[in-house]
Amino acid sequence: SQQGEEDPQALSIQEGENATMNCSYKTSINNLQWYRQNSGRGLVHLILIRSNEREKHSGRLRVTLDTSKKSSSLLITASRAADTASYFCATGVVQGGSEKLVFGKGTKLTVNP
Amino acid sequence: KAGVTQTPRYLIKTRGQQVTLSCSPISGHRSVSWYQQTPGQGLQFLFEYFSETQRNKGNFPGRFSGRQFSNSRSEMNVSTLELGDSALYLCASSLAGWETQYFGPGTRLLVL
Repeated sequence: SQQGEEDPQALSIQEGENATMNCSYKTSINNLQWYRQNSGRGLVHLILIRSNEREKHSGRLRVTLDTSKKSSSLLITASRAADTASYFCATGVVQGGSEKLVFGKGTKLTVNP
Repeated sequence: KAGVTQTPRYLIKTRGQQVTLSCSPISGHRSVSWYQQTPGQGLQFLFEYFSETQRNKGNFPGRFSGRQFSNSRSEMNVSTLELGDSALYLCASSLAGWETQYFGPGTRLLVL
């Protein structure tokens, strides 16, 4: 079953606007990560936030984590056309006695120039 | 450091054939994970190898197998290909399987 679920599935905004994507998960996590994928290519790691952290910044990215609500959000400020991509959250979980990274289905972001 | 490399980048096979995909991780990374990505199912975890041992396995049939060599390079094999195996196969390396993963560009497999 899917551990992480992103919301919305698709988002279309104008250049310069902020984009917010949300991720909900079901079980306890060690960490939560966000990745970006440009069409048909490999994923690129954006940011990792650990379960004992609440907020993290990296350039124009801000990630929050609320473990009580089992949710995270990714905010991209002052978006650019180059931010057009799919964004995935991934949760580091312990399953069957070993750790693994489980990905959600992603949010497709389109930034219009 | 060189990134994760995958070969081949594109592959066309017919039903019933088998295929082997290769992945070279970032130097020093001992964990290699494989994922299948399709429009309908999204990113699905296949398996993870760490120091030549399969440490974790997803929910795929036995036709999907893999291995890791002493230099951390990994291969995955799919036997008796089915149309539904058409997908982008992604390999990722990391220091530990649940930490930051560095992805290769993927191998796009088309099964006819």
